[in-house]
Amino acid sequence: ILNVEQSPQSLHVQEGDSTNFTCSFPSSNFYALHWYRWETAKSPEALFVMTLNGDEKKKGRISATLNTKEGYSYLYIKGSQPEDSATYLCALPNNAGNMLTFGGGTRLMVKP
Amino acid sequence: DGGITQSPKYLFRKEGQNVTLSCEQNLNHDAMYWYRQDPGQGLRLIYYSQIVNDFQKGDIAEGYSVSREKKESFPLTVTSAQKNPTAFYLCASNTRGPTDTQYFGPGTRLTVL
Repeated sequence: ILNVEQSPQSLHVQEGDSTNFTCSFPSSNFYALHWYRWETAKSPEALFVMTLNGDEKKKGRISATLNTKEGYSYLYIKGSQPEDSATYLCALPNNAGNMLTFGGGTRLMVKP
Repeated sequence: DGGITQSPKYLFRKEGQNVTLSCEQNLNHDAMYWYRQDPGQGLRLIYYSQIVNDFQKGDIAEGYSVSREKKESFPLTVTSAQKNPTAFYLCASNTRGPTDTQYFGPGTRLTVL
């Protein structure tokens, strides 16, 4: 089973703070990394799919970087807003590409 | 609207009973997946199917069964053999491929009384 770890498990920040969290994975046999956002009472929705070492993706105030050689990806949120409160999941496919293994998630709570 | 539907939203079951969770998609996706989420944990894969009439066990398949008779439908049966079935269940689908985004349904919360 692929080992995907996310840290921290939970995070409380004030509105306006910038924050970041980590997804760690085995650096060997990397294929792709997915980031999802899961808001309470909603379905998880895709944020980014990252495939190349050094990739940087951005969507509004959220951005992500990828380092496949050392086996980590960072997700950054600039100027957090209460609506950013959610669980952020990362996931990687197995070698056959037919299933994703998810990390435990980082639960972000932004206080107004 | 295209998407994935799961029913029911909440389900209560007595111990010893089998129960079937529905998952339907109209996205024309080949692959479908069932995940389980427990408090404080990430999503764990129960079963997946890449094509009609074929499915594979995920990491935690014991006590569950599935069928894939139609492309649009992938029902999950939680059997009495599942020792700890109370959890939140999510269904997902995508076109096949490791870089393909998975699209999720709204989930079913199962509680065993």
